[in-house]
Amino acid sequence: SQQGEEDPQALSIQEGENATMNCSYKTSINNLQWYRQNSGRGLVHLILIRSNEREKHSGRLRVTLDTSKKSSSLLITASRAADTASYFCATVHGSSNTGKLIFGQGTTLQVKP
Amino acid sequence: DSGVTQTPKHLITATGQRVTLRCSPRSGDLSVYWYQQSLDQGLQFLIQYYNGEERAKGNILERFSAQQFPDLHSELNLSSLELGDSALYFCASSAQGGTTEAFFGQGTRLTVV
Repeated sequence: SQQGEEDPQALSIQEGENATMNCSYKTSINNLQWYRQNSGRGLVHLILIRSNEREKHSGRLRVTLDTSKKSSSLLITASRAADTASYFCATVHGSSNTGKLIFGQGTTLQVKP
Repeated sequence: DSGVTQTPKHLITATGQRVTLRCSPRSGDLSVYWYQQSLDQGLQFLIQYYNGEERAKGNILERFSAQQFPDLHSELNLSSLELGDSALYFCASSAQGGTTEAFFGQGTRLTVV
């Protein structure tokens, strides 16, 4: 299976701390995306990083990609209680025409006020 | 609001029945994707349509079928339902294939009793 793995599965931190989530995948990618899901709701796109990029920033989010290790990390700085959610990495493999996303199992983040 | 509309939000039906889930993509998006989210399988890609044509197929059961209509809305038909089909079904849309982010609807929660 191409499905990626994320760790940790669960993370609990205090407000103001940084949260780091990791994602690994098995085969070469076209791009990697991170999504957020609040309990039982739809997924919200956070950031897309292409295979030729190494790092991207968006507000308090920083994503890195290491294609040699087939891994990515998502860093959320200065976390807030509102960041409590599940975070998923998703990869697009091979031709970009299809765009089907292969999701990891997700990391559940709890930010305590 | 992602701009992707899914109906109904909730559906409860009996085993053996058939249901239709509906998705209206974001205005202008040509690609529509269907995903299934369950506790044991996580987020699984089912099928993609692009401008009315099937473009990619994932782990979609033979009892399931989908189509995309000329106005670009899509329907996912689930038949001969089993208890194990209970899950959240998401529709997503994107402008192109996999080079851009996908926008997810709020999902249809299907419960088979």
